[in-house]
Amino acid sequence: GAGVSQSPRYKVTKRGQDVALRCDPISGHVSLYWYRQALGQGPEFLTYFNYEAQQDKSGLPNDRFSAERPEGSISTLTIQRTEQRDSAMYRCASSPPLAGSYPGNEQFFGPGTRLTVL
Amino acid sequence: AQSVTQPDIHITVSEGASLELRCNYSYGATPYLFWYVQSPGQGLQLLLKYFSGDTLVQGIKGFEAEFKRSQSSFNLRKPSVHWSDAAEYFCAVVPYSGAGSYQLTFGKGTKLSVIP
Repeated sequence: GAGVSQSPRYKVTKRGQDVALRCDPISGHVSLYWYRQALGQGPEFLTYFNYEAQQDKSGLPNDRFSAERPEGSISTLTIQRTEQRDSAMYRCASSPPLAGSYPGNEQFFGPGTRLTVL
Repeated sequence: AQSVTQPDIHITVSEGASLELRCNYSYGATPYLFWYVQSPGQGLQLLLKYFSGDTLVQGIKGFEAEFKRSQSSFNLRKPSVHWSDAAEYFCAVVPYSGAGSYQLTFGKGTKLSVIP
């Protein structure tokens, strides 16, 4: 497929377990964003990658959350020792390269991973 | 810090009626403004965006939005709603900080229901 894909689509885990959420961006897209969306809310920024470099992680809520993108393509968001408050939809978005800095670059969103922590 | 307010949580309109979804932003300068739509089980899809120039922006699916600097608003409109427009709509901003990370700041969304 040509769009952003995320896996798993649904994840149910027990409190205290670690989870890894995967994002496969559109081929050729250099920018990758992670967002978290609680029920009834808009998505909130977690972290940003430019190629393999994590350039902004200011939105990660605490040190249990981490993300990587080792080869500048697929990214993994890891949540350690999950808590019930981590339950949410986790969305990934990618955007293509443009010459220079361009804040208006469209972000293409994946379908999200619905995480439920029991 | 920038913020986005969508004052209407849920709107119901009849098919064929006109639609206006409100969005207000708080930011020191003119931000980059977006409207996204989220259908059940789908990712967010960009409807339209505004950076500068003509304050009336045309988007996909017959939507348009008007930027009003004096009111800090970027309301979304459609002259005639179709049943397939039922979805959740999000207004978002990107501040131009020059830092390289252009993360979107979203409003809480407006859920649109369409009565046949």
